Amino acid sequence: KAGVTQTPRYLIKTRGQQVTLSCSPISGHRSVSWYQQTPGQGLQFLFEYFSETQRNKGNFPGRFSGRQFSNSRSEMNVSTLELGDSALYLCASSKAGQGAHEQYFGPGTRLTVT
Amino acid sequence: GIQVEQSPPDLILQEGANSTLRCNFSDSVNNLQWFHQNPWGQLINLFYIPSGTKQNGRLSATTVATERYSLLYISSSQTTDSGVYFCAVLDPAWAGGTSYGKLTFGQGTILTVHP
Repeated sequence: KAGVTQTPRYLIKTRGQQVTLSCSPISGHRSVSWYQQTPGQGLQFLFEYFSETQRNKGNFPGRFSGRQFSNSRSEMNVSTLELGDSALYLCASSKAGQGAHEQYFGPGTRLTVT
Repeated sequence: GIQVEQSPPDLILQEGANSTLRCNFSDSVNNLQWFHQNPWGQLINLFYIPSGTKQNGRLSATTVATERYSLLYISSSQTTDSGVYFCAVLDPAWAGGTSYGKLTFGQGTILTVHP
């Protein structure tokens, strides 16, 4: 079974631009979550999608948004990029449903904002 | 929200040595995972262990949920074990509701194994 995939793997953008990152979950997994990892703040939760609905959101500004498609694939968008948005963005998928389920992570997208 | 603390922050070992990494959490949980982050940044699942003990080769983990801690044991360490080890717990405020994705991570333990 294929794992979680993320595209692109590396990205360089300029301040003020916007960026879209993509995540394809493991087949059969319906929940996709996004995390930001920086040296200063560690791993922080951005948001989670299930059945095309955002069910939970972390403490990030409105410039960070996302969506989930009917096939469970998810995208996240960051508008008006700032230098501080440089980070590794990780997505995770799980089966979700009743009870707590194991999370599986993709390889990440490393975003550099110059 | 729940707080997760890992210790030690850094650990340097010689190949062949054993080690124990600790994860303390501030509230009851029903989902605890251990990850190894490889040099390229990917989080590799080691254990899903809300309670009890599990073993996988040279690695084993124990979670004592009632005392709010988990331990990761690495025996006969190898240079390929180097990297950052994270524990993460599902925020219990959401576990019983409709959200299952909000993992709270510790700050990690940086393990360096020298040949």
